[in-house]
Order: sequence, then structure tokens, then C-alpha cells
Amino acid sequence: DVKVTQSSRYLVKRTGEKVFLECVQDMDHENMFWYRQDPGLGLRLIYFSYDVKMKEKGDIPEGYSVSREKKERFSLILESASTNQTSMYLCASSRGRGNNEQFFGPGTRLTVL
Amino acid sequence: KQEVTQIPAALSVPEGENLVLNCSFTDSAIYNLQWFRQDPGKGLTSLLLIQSSQREQTSGRLNASLDKSSGRSTLYIAASQPGDSATYLCAVPSLLNEKLTFGTGTRLTIIP
Repeated sequence: DVKVTQSSRYLVKRTGEKVFLECVQDMDHENMFWYRQDPGLGLRLIYFSYDVKMKEKGDIPEGYSVSREKKERFSLILESASTNQTSMYLCASSRGRGNNEQFFGPGTRLTVL
Repeated sequence: KQEVTQIPAALSVPEGENLVLNCSFTDSAIYNLQWFRQDPGKGLTSLLLIQSSQREQTSGRLNASLDKSSGRSTLYIAASQPGDSATYLCAVPSLLNEKLTFGTGTRLTIIP
């Protein structure tokens, strides 16, 4: 079974702090994704990566950056957290090369005070 | 731009009934469609992926159908159980890359 893990289930940070959210997958997948999910807005793609050191902006990249130094790990970085970044953050991965079935991690509920 | 719609937004049915969840998409040039369930406060669990060349895909009590020409997919749940209560989402990939466009989901409640 594909396993996608996220570093924290719940996180509380203060405005202006730098925040790192980590995601690891164990199935040698090429593609990795970061989404945020908010009531009434559904899932929105922040960034995705289709290879090590490669990244592409999703629909709402402002205020976020990402890092993919190793194939299995994809990090989401909030350079200076703001209250409007309070949300559920979901990481996903897919095999790639035409196989786009996505598998999700358990999510991180981030609260920025 | 692909748009994915799920109606109704919420559905309640008595335990034991069969039910159908609907998913509509505007651009029929898709090569597959994926159904997920999400429990409150949790991540998404992949249920079924149905290829555009298939008309149906089955897993246990779940059966997904896909009609590309009409831009519709359905998820049929047989003999519903309280444990089926969750939000169900469908998603379709872009042809240009492997990004998914998600529907807003149907929140299903099975009444014991």
C-alpha cells in the first residue's frame, strides 16, 4: 500500500513565523502535490513537483514556497505565516508517467494566531 | 477551464439503502476520473479510478460508472452502512499534466 505521511497532524504558529510542513511518500512516486482545503472553497492546489528539484505553481502559490531535494520528500514552506493561512494542508503523490492516481496523507491542521 | 460539479452537496439516507452520488464535468477530454472519500478532519482516501476506456469499475459495494460524452460519472453504493458516512469527492486530471480538478463533494450521512 502507498503510504504518504505528514510531519504533524496539528500545528499552532504565530503570525510572522516561518513554518515548515513535511511530506514523505514511500512508493517511489514521481509526482508530489500540496493542497489546502477550506470550507466552501474545496481543495486548491498550491504547488506540485514532478521530479526532484522541479516545482510548478498551482492555483494559489502566493505566500508559499516548496522544496524537493529528495524524491520521497516534499516540503511546503510558509516564509512568514499569516492568519489567512490557517487551513487544512494536504499532501499527495502519484506515480506519474501517465499514472495520475493520487494518494493523500492524513493532513495537517495549521492554525496561525 | 475544467469545472467539476457534485450535486447534491449533502445527502441523508437510511441504513441498508442503495444510493447514487453524481459528478459532472464540463470538458469531456479526460482520460480517467477518480473517486475519493474523506472523513472529518482527515485526508482523502482513494476509492476507485475509472479509465476513459472503461464504462464501470467495481470495488466491493462500490461501483463507479463513467460517461465521457455526457460529462458524467456516478458512484453507486450498495447496502449502505453507517460507516459509509463521509464526504465523497470526484476529480479529473488535466490532459496537459497530472493536476486534478476536484468537485466540491457530497456529504453523505447514513442514518442507522
